[in-house]
Formats: sequence, structure tokens, C-alpha cells
Amino acid sequence: GAVVSQHPSWVICKSGTSVKIECRSLDFQATTMFWYRQFPKQSLMLMATSNEGSKATYEQGVEKDKFLINHASLTLSTLTVTSAHPEDSSFYICSAMGSGRALYNEQFFGPGTRLTVL
Amino acid sequence: AQKVTQAQTEISVVEKEDVTLDCVYETRDTTYYLFWYKQPPSGELVFLIRRNSFDEQNEISGRYSWNFQKSTSSFNFTITASQVVDSAVYFCALSDPSMNRDDKIIFGKGTRLHILP
Repeated sequence: GAVVSQHPSWVICKSGTSVKIECRSLDFQATTMFWYRQFPKQSLMLMATSNEGSKATYEQGVEKDKFLINHASLTLSTLTVTSAHPEDSSFYICSAMGSGRALYNEQFFGPGTRLTVL
Repeated sequence: AQKVTQAQTEISVVEKEDVTLDCVYETRDTTYYLFWYKQPPSGELVFLIRRNSFDEQNEISGRYSWNFQKSTSSFNFTITASQVVDSAVYFCALSDPSMNRDDKIIFGKGTRLHILP
């Protein structure tokens, strides 16, 4: 149980285009989902936290107008990188946290999405 | 401030050797969680362990063991009889409920482990 999927697993796009990444909790309801970014050979940095039905909370230095997060249901959150540029190329990882007792305060990570902006 | 320090950036050992990955953390609260994750070349994070700050018992799981010492704010990870498949980046992480963001996980910079055949 507690599986999180991401789609697509990798994407290549042209500079200036927008890219949407989906994060789904497959077998549990995720009240909270998190989006991380990981540059090559670096650690995971939290970008934002999203709760179902409310606005995402962005970490300091993350542009909310550039990285649009939508958590419309208890099993789906999306991250849209708007007007992507080469410096946005990175590995984007989502995680989900369930509300059930067994899943409390434990994040389950997706497999990640590798974004390359040309 | 909450912080996780993994001083070892990269380690190489020969297969079958034991290796310990160090993790030192900083937090002002008495209630927190510590984690270790493995990230193989595929990129997917693999959860290894979560430890509550009130549970200082050392844990062993197969070839993996963890030494949690609150007195030194350390949560070290040892792999015994290492194998090539253990080659990966290992992250230590901290979750501090007192931040009023009890779900936020702070990651260390990771230790890249190379197991040489």
C-alpha cells in the first residue's frame, strides 16, 4: 500500500512552454502533498506544500506564479511549470501524506519527474 | 533553526566492507522524527527508517543498523557486509512538529556511497 505515482516520468520541452506534472496517491487519500526539486548531485529542496481544497504554501524563494500547484482532490496534485526556462531543468519529486492513522505524518514519495528545458 | 548535516559527501568502499554514514541534526524541540532514505541511480527515493525522538533504541534490519544518540544529536547508519547494490545516495532527514508545520521534512545534503566490486 501507500503508492504514489508521477506522470510523466520525464519530459523535454522548449523554453517558454508550460509543463504540467501530476502526482497521484494510488491507494490512499492524501490530505497533504509536497513538491520538491532536486538539482543534479544536490539534495531535495521543498518547494511547496499543498492541502486538498486550499491554496499551496510556498517556501521562501519559490515563485508561486511560476510554479502553479493545484490539489483538487484527495488523490491528485499537479505542478505546472509556466514559461519554463533551462534553469528550471531539474528532478521534481512529489510526496503525499495520508490522513489515516497508519499513515499519519508519514510521507510517501513518488518516483520523480525529470524535466529538461531546451 | 532545524538543520541536518551529512559531513561525508562521498564514500567509496570495497564490497563486503562495513560502512557508516554519519548524520548530525539540530533542532530546538524535544519531539521530532528522523529518517533515512536511499536514492539509487533511478532517482526514486526509498524509505529506510523513521525514528521518533523518544525512541533511542538502536535498530537493526538485516545488514542495516542505525545508532541514534540524542546526547550527540546523531543518527548514524551502518551497512555491514556492503554489496554493490548498496551504491546510492543516502539522505538523512528531520521532521520537527514544533515548527507548526509538522509535516515538513528537512533533508541533509546526502552521502554518495560507492561500493566497489
